[in-house]
Amino acid sequence: GNSVTQMEGPVTLSEEAFLTINCTYTATGYPSLFWYVQYPGEGLQLLLKATKADDKGSNKGFEATYRKETTSFHLEKGSVQVSDSAVYFCALSDSFAAAGNKLTFGGGTRVLVKP
Amino acid sequence: DSGVTQTPKHLITATGQRVTLRCSPRSGDLSVYWYQQSLDQGLQFLIQYYNGEERAKGNILERFSAQQFPDLHSELNLSSLELGDSALYFCASSPSGGIRNTEAFFGQGTRLTVV
Repeated sequence: GNSVTQMEGPVTLSEEAFLTINCTYTATGYPSLFWYVQYPGEGLQLLLKATKADDKGSNKGFEATYRKETTSFHLEKGSVQVSDSAVYFCALSDSFAAAGNKLTFGGGTRVLVKP
Repeated sequence: DSGVTQTPKHLITATGQRVTLRCSPRSGDLSVYWYQQSLDQGLQFLIQYYNGEERAKGNILERFSAQQFPDLHSELNLSSLELGDSALYFCASSPSGGIRNTEAFFGQGTRLTVV
């Protein structure tokens, strides 16, 4: 079955530091890939997505590139802010409708940015 | 605000009891998804309904059931509750039956505590 593996946290950074969260996946076919963010006490919000190989998703300074050859979708941000403190989830959506339309999530990575 | 409304926000109940969680999707969205977030299992897909019909099923226990009504709101029924059912239950909605190329919008969740 499908699975998503992402680096365990917590990741603690200073403001303006570079952030990378690794994500690799296992799936049949050609899944769509997503990064969701969960701020304290809130639901998940879509941060960015990529639907095919070599696509780059970007939003709010975050970027991730769909790498089919390495089955990866690493999240990066060049200069983090305290407001980026949250839990980040990598997820995939199966390419086959018959297999369901669910999102398969990684375990989440907690990021804490200190001033 | 994602536009997805979940009630109640918090629920405390005893083992063996039955509870109903409610979800109102974004206006116009036909699909509703239910997810369970627990410390040991992470974010797990439970079930999806599309325009009133069950579309996909995940690791949903037999003690759990769901339905989507004609006005498109959905309810998740949890019965014979056990301590291990304590978790954050999220509802999400999307415009269509698939989420490869559309965004799933998440509610803020219902935190269920079984004592």
